[in-house]
Amino acid sequence: DQQVKQNSPSLSVQEGRISILNCDYTNSMFDYFLWYKKYPAEGPTFLISISSIKDKNEDGRFTVFLNKSAKHLSLHIVPSQPGDSAVYFCAASVGSAGNNRKLIWGLGTSLAVNP
Amino acid sequence: DAGVTQSPTHLIKTRGQHVTLRCSPISGHKSVSWYQQVLGQGPQFIFQYYEKEERGRGNFPDRFSARQFPNYSSELNVNALLLGDSALYLCASSTGQGITGELFFGEGSRLTVL
Repeated sequence: DQQVKQNSPSLSVQEGRISILNCDYTNSMFDYFLWYKKYPAEGPTFLISISSIKDKNEDGRFTVFLNKSAKHLSLHIVPSQPGDSAVYFCAASVGSAGNNRKLIWGLGTSLAVNP
Repeated sequence: DAGVTQSPTHLIKTRGQHVTLRCSPISGHKSVSWYQQVLGQGPQFIFQYYEKEERGRGNFPDRFSARQFPNYSSELNVNALLLGDSALYLCASSTGQGITGELFFGEGSRLTVL
């Protein structure tokens, strides 16, 4: 049972345009959501997160939106750059404390930003 | 500052063998987590350790075990290897404080079981 779903395995956008990556979840107990970026042969790198009590978090070109009622979040990248080409993972955090937490991951969306 | 380091980066084993993977967390981080990533999938949680104690275990068989040492480094052991154990094994460290769940990952150990 996939608790975190990224239904688009791939996305292609033009440089300078907006990239929108989507993620859906089923478990209402998730209280933090994180986006990670992964290049080939590297471990995932943290990008941005959002608490379940917020609906938006922005960091430079990256904005994450959370719609709790729809159990949906999205990552917006504006403007997209060729260096943004990577696999993007949506992850949800669950646990009782910082020392007892695990991440539940989606399958990832491969983003290609074309020059 | 050094990030999370894992060794070995690549290894090949045969079915039935045993493997030990090692991880050194970021200095000051007391929590280490292990994840398995099979090609085309997202990482799957295996273990979390904090202050040398197991704090969480994912849905993996008893062939998988881990431990954390006084210096907060960690080992993941897998016995009686199966072909399906072929994957990228990721180690992540965190402070273990707070509730965001932000993890810092190493580059992973790619295990191939023949």
